[in-house]
Amino acid sequence: EPEVTQTPSHQVTQMGQEVILRCVPISNHLYFYWYRQILGQKVEFLVSFYNNEISEKSEIFDDQFSVERPDGSNFTLKIRSTKLEDSAMYFCASSVGDEGYTFGSGTRLTVV
Amino acid sequence: RKEVEQDPGPFNVPEGATVAFNCTYSNSASQSFFWYRQDCRKEPKLLMSVYSSGNEDGRFTAQLNRASQYISLLIRDSKLSDSATYLCVVKFDDYKLSFGAGTTVTVRA
Repeated sequence: EPEVTQTPSHQVTQMGQEVILRCVPISNHLYFYWYRQILGQKVEFLVSFYNNEISEKSEIFDDQFSVERPDGSNFTLKIRSTKLEDSAMYFCASSVGDEGYTFGSGTRLTVV
Repeated sequence: RKEVEQDPGPFNVPEGATVAFNCTYSNSASQSFFWYRQDCRKEPKLLMSVYSSGNEDGRFTAQLNRASQYISLLIRDSKLSDSATYLCVVKFDDYKLSFGAGTTVTVRA
C-alpha cells in the first residue's frame, strides 16, 4: 500500500534554530498538506499546497513557516526560528483530490 | 465556536459491547465527513467516510444527520484492538480537513 514518508521521526532543536521537516507524498497525489498536533490537543491544519503554490494556510502558518517542493518528490516544511510552542507532532498528508487523504507517520519536534 | 466538537470520553467498555458516540459540526456547508482512528502518538488513519444515507463497514456503522449537523459512529462487538481515539473529521468547501479533539475508547477484557 502506498504511503507518505516523513523524516526525521524525531527532531530536537534549540529555540531560535531553523528546522526543516521532510515528506515524500504518494507519487500520484496532487495535493499536499501539513498538519500539527500539540501533545494532548487536536490535529490542526497548517497549510495546503497544490500546483506548486500554497492554496490555503491557517493563522498558525505565519511568516516563520514556509513550504517548498524542491523536486518532484519531496515536500518540506521549514520553521525559521523555532519557539518552545512549536513543539508538536507534525504530520504531512497528501491526496488525489478531496478524497483519499493519507497521513505520514509524523515528525515529533521538540524545541528546547 | 469550535468547528467540530466531540465528547472526549473516555468510553470504557467490555469486550463484545456496543459503543456509540457523536460529533457535531458548526458549518452547514460542510461537504464531506469522515471518522479517523488515532492510536497513541501515531498518525490519524481513515476508518471510514460517512455518507448521507449512513454506511456500514463490518462492525462499524456511521450515520450523518445534516439537519441537526451531527455524525455518529457505532462499534458493535468491540474488540481489544478497537481501543483508540476516534477523530471526527469534516471537510468544508476546500481541501482542508477540520478535526475534532477525539473520543477515547478503551475496550477491556
